[in-house]
Amino acid sequence: KAGVTQTPRYLIKTRGQQVTLSCSPISGHRSVSWYQQTPGQGLQFLFEYFSETQRNKGNFPGRFSGRQFSNSRSEMNVSTLELGDSALYLCASSAAGSGGAQETQYFGPGTRLLVL
Amino acid sequence: SQKIEQNSEALNIQEGKTATLTCNYTNYSPAYLQWYRQDPGRGPVFLLLIRENEKEKRKERLKVTFDTTLKQSLFHITASQPADSATYLCALERDFNKFYFGSGTKLNVKP
Repeated sequence: KAGVTQTPRYLIKTRGQQVTLSCSPISGHRSVSWYQQTPGQGLQFLFEYFSETQRNKGNFPGRFSGRQFSNSRSEMNVSTLELGDSALYLCASSAAGSGGAQETQYFGPGTRLLVL
Repeated sequence: SQKIEQNSEALNIQEGKTATLTCNYTNYSPAYLQWYRQDPGRGPVFLLLIRENEKEKRKERLKVTFDTTLKQSLFHITASQPADSATYLCALERDFNKFYFGSGTKLNVKP
């Protein structure tokens, strides 16, 4: 099976702009989670989607949002970008709720976002 | 709030030795704990999962222990190789499918 794919891999934006990142999960996986990784804070949970519904949410401001489509592909959006949003954004898919082993998460390569 | 602590200092060891990494957690008793490996510029890769009723889990040269009394997990790599050099992360599930990760420990295996 193909792994988790994320696009784009690299992105440079300026403060105040908005950005949309895309994630395609492993075929058959219906759960997609998003994480932000920075050197100072490590890997932090943003939100998780399952069957087009947000099931869990981390402690991030409302500028961070996401959605999931019927084919399980997911997008996350960050509006009004701030310098502190510069990070590696990772998505992970799992079989949670799909009848498979729910605990294992498979991560994509990430999108490196730089906000200037 | 959930706190997961891993040694932030890099661990430097000689090839062939056993590397031992520590993960401590507070404020929660997870049903299981996971370990991941992350290489620079890449997403984490799942390595092992150990459940609360398991004392020890092995996979090839990897061994994980889980002490729910101490709230600690130890991750061992025996006969370490330079290719094992990476950052190792522990993670636990606090709510359904909501994972908390430690900050990771960077392992450097010198030839």
